[in-house]
Amino acid sequence: NAGVTQTPKFQVLKTGQSMTLQCAQDMNHEYMSWYRQDPGMGLRLIHYSVGAGITDQGEVPNGYNVSRSTTEDFPLRLLSAAPSQTSVYFCASSRHTYNEQFFGPGTRLTVL
Amino acid sequence: GQQVMQIPQYQHVQEGEDFTTYCNSSTTLSNIQWYKQRPGGHPVFLIQLVKSGEVKKQKRLTFQFGEAKKNSSLHITATQTTDVGTYFCYGGSQGNLIFGKGTKLSVKP
Repeated sequence: NAGVTQTPKFQVLKTGQSMTLQCAQDMNHEYMSWYRQDPGMGLRLIHYSVGAGITDQGEVPNGYNVSRSTTEDFPLRLLSAAPSQTSVYFCASSRHTYNEQFFGPGTRLTVL
Repeated sequence: GQQVMQIPQYQHVQEGEDFTTYCNSSTTLSNIQWYKQRPGGHPVFLIQLVKSGEVKKQKRLTFQFGEAKKNSSLHITATQTTDVGTYFCYGGSQGNLIFGKGTKLSVKP
């Protein structure tokens, strides 16, 4: 099993550009989530999904979109990148909401 | 909304000293999980506590869940340089789960 994979590992964007961060898991987990991690702020939930076709907002959803068309994939879209979105982004999955989460290796994003 | 407060934010210890991080909530938690993130890495699950007053041990690590299920602690006995990293608690209720801000542990050899 590959676990949770994320691409790309690093990305530099200019303000106003859009992009999609990819996340995939091969453990047949129902629950998937996206976090951003900033110094001193811990891990903040952006969006999450409890199953294919179901998504919901987390603590900091503004500027991000998600979709969950399959169990395996949960892409995160930045609509119009802003410097405030410079961060490390982690995707995670778990069997269900209260189970242990498995994290991907992260994407380090810089917006100039 | 749900708040999970974690203290201290930083802890610097000499190798061999003990270390404790605390997680507190204003509301009752359904369960609590602990994660460790090494520098430059991703969070890795350590343990989950579900029952009131539960205590679990993993070698030098001891995890406790309070009787009221509103607080939890992680204690490391005789720290080693391999314990360096940030420790996060994660908990909530009614599907609303959040991470504490973490305790960053540094160990001086």
